Order: sequence, then structure tokens, then C-alpha cells
Amino acid sequence: AQTVTQSQPEMSVQEAETVTLSCTYDTSESDYYLFWYKQPPSRQMILVIRQEAYKQQNATENRFSVNFQKAAKSFSLKISDSQLGDAAMYFCAYRSGVQGAQKLVFGQGTRLTINP
Amino acid sequence: EAGVTQSPTHLIKTRGQQVTLRCSPISGHTSVYWYQQALGLGLQFLLWYDEGEERNRGNFPPRFSGRQFPNYSSELNVNALELEDSALYLCASSFLSHRGLIPRPSNTEAFFGQGTRLTVV
Repeated sequence: AQTVTQSQPEMSVQEAETVTLSCTYDTSESDYYLFWYKQPPSRQMILVIRQEAYKQQNATENRFSVNFQKAAKSFSLKISDSQLGDAAMYFCAYRSGVQGAQKLVFGQGTRLTINP
Repeated sequence: EAGVTQSPTHLIKTRGQQVTLRCSPISGHTSVYWYQQALGLGLQFLLWYDEGEERNRGNFPPRFSGRQFPNYSSELNVNALELEDSALYLCASSFLSHRGLIPRPSNTEAFFGQGTRLTVV
């Protein structure tokens, strides 16, 4: 079974600074997808960024980028120019590329605090 | 376009009772997923429905069940509620391409609703 581990229960960063959230995963599959979701106090899970395992290029979405190290099974999220609105729980998630296996496997989450 | 909607937003039930949670997916999405987010336990996969059929089930007892209707909306039923069932229940939907009988994975993401907060007392 696949597992996702987020080793940082809490992180904090000064507004406008850069922060990196860590995520490692364990799988024997070669075809899969990785995601970072954000969950603000409103509780709704919002997709931040997505990475296909077959792509070597790291995904970027504006101020958000990932460092995908497939051999090391590592998938960290970098947030640049942190803003107060970035404060939330961040979840790393794995989804198999196997036919019929659509469920997301989530890490335990990292609570990010932005200090003004 | 409306997102994934869940009802009710909050619910308080007594131990031993039964509860039904509802989810309406984004228009055009055929798959609905249910997750339980209990305090300190992260998100745990409960059920996946696609085209009206249960496709996958997480490690939960049989008193957790559900169904998907022809309009792709879904219900999650929990019987004989226990205190540890207190959690945020999140529903998500996505679109899958279908070739043959088994849905094929794609790189489309799942969109989540705002959840139903269930408290069992």
C-alpha cells in the first residue's frame, strides 16, 4: 500500500519570505500523480499544484513550485513571497495511475502560519 | 458553475443513531469520493462511486455505506453511530474517461466540497 508522510506538523514563515514544506511517499508503482492541497479554515480542500510522475520537469503555479525527486520519493512544496492568505493546512497526496485506482492517499498535513 | 456541494454543513447526532450525508458533484463529473477527516488522523478514504457503482472502499466497517444516483449525486450513510465517527466528512468529484468497463485514471484533479461536520454525542 502507498503511504505519504509529512514530517512537519507545523511551520511558520514571515510574510514575503519563502517556505518549503516536505513530503515523502512510498510506492512500488511507476505511474502515479502527486498533489498538494490547501485547507484554509473554511475547510474546503483546494488544489495548489499537481505533478505527474512521468514528467521530469517540476511543476510551478505562480508563487508555488515543487521539487520532485522521483528516486528519493520526495515531493516538497515551495511557497515564495508568502502572503497572509497562504495560512492554512497543507496536505500532500498521492494517486495511483493504475486503472481503477482513483483514491487519494493523504499525508497528515502541515499547518502553515504566516507572521506579518 | 457550481462546485461540489454538501449538505448539511453541520450535524449533531446521538450515539447509536443513523445519519445520511449528501453530495452533489460538479456538473459533468461522474465520480464521487468520500473521505473522513477525524481530528489528528488526516484524511482517510471511505468510498468511491463512479457511474452509479461502488468502485473502491477504504478500511471502514460495513456500517459505512453509500450510493450514487443516476444524476451522479451521492449519499453516505453511517449506521449505529459511535463517538469516534465524529469528524469532517468531505466529498470530492472528478471526471474520468471510460474505456470498457473500468474507469481509466486521468490527470484530472478531484474537486472538494466544504464538508459536513458530524458530531456524535
